[in-house]
Amino acid sequence: DTEVTQTPKHLVMGMTNKKSLKCEQHMGHRAMYWYKQKAKKPPELMFVYSYEKLSINESVPSRFSPECPNSSLLNLHLHALQPEDSALYLCASSQVPTGVYNEQFFGPGTRLTVL
Amino acid sequence: SQELEQSPQSLIVQEGKNLTINCTSSKTLYGLYWYKQKYGEGLIFLMMLQKGGEEKSHEKITAKLDEKKQQSSLHITASQPSHAGIYLCGADISGTSGTYKYIFGTGTRLKVLA
Repeated sequence: DTEVTQTPKHLVMGMTNKKSLKCEQHMGHRAMYWYKQKAKKPPELMFVYSYEKLSINESVPSRFSPECPNSSLLNLHLHALQPEDSALYLCASSQVPTGVYNEQFFGPGTRLTVL
Repeated sequence: SQELEQSPQSLIVQEGKNLTINCTSSKTLYGLYWYKQKYGEGLIFLMMLQKGGEEKSHEKITAKLDEKKQQSSLHITASQPSHAGIYLCGADISGTSGTYKYIFGTGTRLKVLA
């Protein structure tokens, strides 16, 4: 299985809602990532989990809360989002968190719209 | 300014034509990766270059890394409509700083006319 899956594919939420994005991989990768991508822009790194521990938080607002329950799963909990948070949220995984074997495998993304 | 610049920003070519996309880094590269993205979808890993002078090919796509120039090029031979999409280079520029940093280039939008 060489795939990263993400659910849901699309999500529409109000500013007072609480929702979660889910990401799963079964490649035995020990690094997992959340990226945010706005239209016509490259992905921007949000969080990195290395061996199930949060190793990087790129100054992301606390209304985004990541969670890594086990080595295969990565969640992103959303609460009190703003309309400017609307974007494509991409999950990725790699064998290790850094170094020369850091090719990242991406999921198809979750298209989030905040009303 | 961007740490990883791509050129051109967009490209429209006739089917069958060759094309080249460049990715230039302002930082020392510790691995350079090429990805392709269809609009609104995830990124598909194309290839990884580790060493200066390295060249890799997959089907009609060839990528090279010029370590001295801190630059990589992606060349598509005899382009087809299926090559259309957004091409992104990615790089690990963490080095020995102890701080992880993985960045993406500005992207090149390719359209291939049938």
